[in-house]
Amino acid sequence: ETGVTQSPTHLIKTRGQQVTLRCSSQSGHNTVSWYQQALGQGPQFIFQYYREEENGRGNFPPRFSGLQFPNYSSELNVNALELDDSALYLCASSLDPSRTYEQYFGPGTRLTVT
Amino acid sequence: QQQVKQSPQSLIVQKGGISIINCAYENTAFDYFPWYQQFPGKGPALLIAIRPDVSEKKEGRFTISFNKSAKQFSLHIMDSQPGDSATYFCAAGRDDKIIFGKGTRLHILP
Repeated sequence: ETGVTQSPTHLIKTRGQQVTLRCSSQSGHNTVSWYQQALGQGPQFIFQYYREEENGRGNFPPRFSGLQFPNYSSELNVNALELDDSALYLCASSLDPSRTYEQYFGPGTRLTVT
Repeated sequence: QQQVKQSPQSLIVQKGGISIINCAYENTAFDYFPWYQQFPGKGPALLIAIRPDVSEKKEGRFTISFNKSAKQFSLHIMDSQPGDSATYFCAAGRDDKIIFGKGTRLHILP
């Protein structure tokens, strides 16, 4: 059984650029949630995908978008990057949306926007 | 309000002592309250969780105490060990949404 993996580990982008982050969910999990964790803060919920559909969204603007694929892996896309987007981006997978609190987190992607 | 307030921000405890972290929430619609542990360079990992119909849950050295009327819950780590040094997050959730506290950085002195 493989855990949640994320790529890349680190990324440096310039303000205004676009970025795509990737996540492979734990085997058997059909639900993926994405979080933004600023330095010294708790993770903030961005959105959740369940069976390839967006299942809920936090207070993030539309330039944050996502996809989930038939194998339940997922992407987070951020357009028009801003300096405040610099953070650790975490994805987490769970058996289904009702088991979100039992989600397994990946190690995260550290995004730096300059 | 969807906030979860966590305290203290940082905590230093002697090895063998009891570490206590407190959280308060506002939204009575929350129906599960997990605690996560995060080591540097890693994602958070679920430590223990409780539902609001239970006042206490214990797993090994970790205990959650839950006070529904006060809308507060706390994590107690008994016999704290240096390996427990990490950042701890409380959270509150319902269905697919979880709100995290800002975290407590715990350091256990050897």
